[in-house]
Amino acid sequence: AQKVTQAQTEISVVEKEDVTLDCVYETRDTTYYLFWYKQPPSGELVFLIRRNSFDEQNEISGRYSWNFQKSTSSFNFTITASQVVDSAVYFCALRLYNNNDMRFGAGTRLTVKP
Amino acid sequence: GAGVSQSPSNKVTEKGKDVELRCDPISGHTALYWYRQSLGQGLEFLIYFQGNSAPDKSGLPSDRFSAERTGGSVSTLTIQRTQQEDSAVYLCASSVSGTENSPLHFGNGTRLTVT
Repeated sequence: AQKVTQAQTEISVVEKEDVTLDCVYETRDTTYYLFWYKQPPSGELVFLIRRNSFDEQNEISGRYSWNFQKSTSSFNFTITASQVVDSAVYFCALRLYNNNDMRFGAGTRLTVKP
Repeated sequence: GAGVSQSPSNKVTEKGKDVELRCDPISGHTALYWYRQSLGQGLEFLIYFQGNSAPDKSGLPSDRFSAERTGGSVSTLTIQRTQQEDSAVYLCASSVSGTENSPLHFGNGTRLTVT
């Protein structure tokens, strides 16, 4: 079985603050893929990043960075110098090898205030 | 280029009626998924189509739910005898292939309200 937990239901920050969104996953499989999606107020989920279980290298893309740690089964997402346009619901997802079900967490609603 | 298109964007129906939700995936994408997003909840997997293979229906919550994909492209999700608990946003997604590392591209969803 696989499970994704996003313990933070809602986060509110002021513009330019850094913010980290937590994601903890559970699986007994050794091969799997982790994803982050953004769902802005318009409603359409947008793919942000993918990580496979064999690649623990952290990644930075502009103001976004991801920290994947297998030892703690976490795949956290940090936004540096947040902006109002970052306001959205962010979902972490897990997909096992040879499995059609991409399992999503409940999402974290991020509000960035000016 | 065109993304995943879903119609209608909103649907209000009376309890007990049947509804059909449509999804037009990105051209060339072989895999198609349906998810359900209830208010304040994450996404719940419903069904998966890959090419001409038999669909994975393991996520369908009851036999009132069914889906088909004609010609490997457009898909229709049908809910028969709708119940109030069916109210949710139904999201369709497609991906280039059905492999596990292919990211999903989502449509804007159909918001279904059962009164």
